[in-house]
Amino acid sequence: DVKVTQSSRYLVKRTGEKVFLECVQDMDHENMFWYRQDPGLGLRLIYFSYDVKMKEKGDIPEGYSVSREKKERFSLILESASTNQTSMYLCASSLRGFSGNTIYFGEGSWLTVV
Amino acid sequence: QKEVEQNSGPLSVPEGAIASLNCTYSDRGSQSFFWYRQYSGKSPELIMSIYSNGDKEDGRFTAQLNKASQYVSLLIRDSQPSDSATYLCAPTGGFKTIFGAGTRLFVKA
Repeated sequence: DVKVTQSSRYLVKRTGEKVFLECVQDMDHENMFWYRQDPGLGLRLIYFSYDVKMKEKGDIPEGYSVSREKKERFSLILESASTNQTSMYLCASSLRGFSGNTIYFGEGSWLTVV
Repeated sequence: QKEVEQNSGPLSVPEGAIASLNCTYSDRGSQSFFWYRQYSGKSPELIMSIYSNGDKEDGRFTAQLNKASQYVSLLIRDSQPSDSATYLCAPTGGFKTIFGAGTRLFVKA
């Protein structure tokens, strides 16, 4: 079974703090993704990576950065947390290639910024 | 116009009935189509994929695709209370998967 593990399930951070969300997958997947999910807006792609040290902006990259130093690990960084970044963050992974590859999600990280 | 449109629901059906979930998409380059189920407070999990026009059946689930109409649907036969969840439509083209906001399904026992 594919396992995508997000180390922090529930976090409360203060405005202006730097926040790190960590994600590890154990199936040697090339592609990794960070999404956020908000009611009524669905899943929105923040960043994705198709290889180590490679990253591509998604639809809403502003205020975020990512790091992929190892194939199995993909980190999301909120440089200076703001209240509008309160959300559920989902890490995901998939095999390399076009289309037909299933995206596997982690359990999610619920972030509240106060 | 949203890239992926789904009726947000809730769609309420009695136990044993057929639940019909619909999705339209705007990107004609979409090649693969996925349906994910998401229980409240949980992450999405894949339940069906379809790649060519027509129907694809898997147990109680049937996915239907019509690329000319840019329409994909999911039928759930013999609906069970455990099917109560949000269903996300996810057309995919190239590296890009666009998720719909989902339809909430409620199956009444």
